[in-house]
Amino acid sequence: QSVLTQPPSVSAAPGQKVTISCSGTSSNIGNNYVSWYQQFPGTAPKLLIYENNKRPSGIPDRFSGSKSGTSATLAITGLQTGDEADYYCGTWDGSLSSIFGGGTKLTVL
Amino acid sequence: QPQLQESGPGLVKPSETLSLSCTVFAGSVSLSTYYWGWIRQPPGQGLEWIGSVFHTGSTYYNPSLRGRVTMSVDTSKDQFSLNLTSVTAADTAFYYCARLRSWEPGIDYWGQGTLVTVSS
Repeated sequence: QSVLTQPPSVSAAPGQKVTISCSGTSSNIGNNYVSWYQQFPGTAPKLLIYENNKRPSGIPDRFSGSKSGTSATLAITGLQTGDEADYYCGTWDGSLSSIFGGGTKLTVL
Repeated sequence: QPQLQESGPGLVKPSETLSLSCTVFAGSVSLSTYYWGWIRQPPGQGLEWIGSVFHTGSTYYNPSLRGRVTMSVDTSKDQFSLNLTSVTAADTAFYYCARLRSWEPGIDYWGQGTLVTVSS
């Protein structure tokens, strides 16, 4: 069982907006930045969002992140079929101890 | 941009030691702002951080695996390694090596991953 809680799955139609939540506690999300990762089947995860809301170079602005208290949210607007993937949130629990959410499977209907 | 490549046996017998190495290409493990770590993912399941090592040799391990995990770094070869002892079928997973930022939790570069199966 993962320390961070994510919904197992979300779905939306192409062009729509979807949000994925990530819930933690004061010892992890409450006191640290949150990152988000995108993983396609058979490939390694890819950093999508860091420091709660920043995008690495090359990540479209359709992807955005936010954090409030002990929860974080990933939002994807203008959904495309190519966005179908698993999404994971991550942070620290204590100093330099990484933890992840259980992952959310995004289906673009 | 650094590239990371895992290497090691794909099959390990129960009770034996799983040993993997990661080579960093077009980068250096001696950068002071990064840690180097291992993350695993059982087939069809989520991600689990195993541990991280700094270029000085300082290590941080997942408490759930502490006692079975050791990590080390070889700065002369830009490599770092993982040893996991007394493996069971529950340790069967894709093992990823990765670069972890020291100032925030982001993991910005990942190896392609290697499947390690524990079976007799």
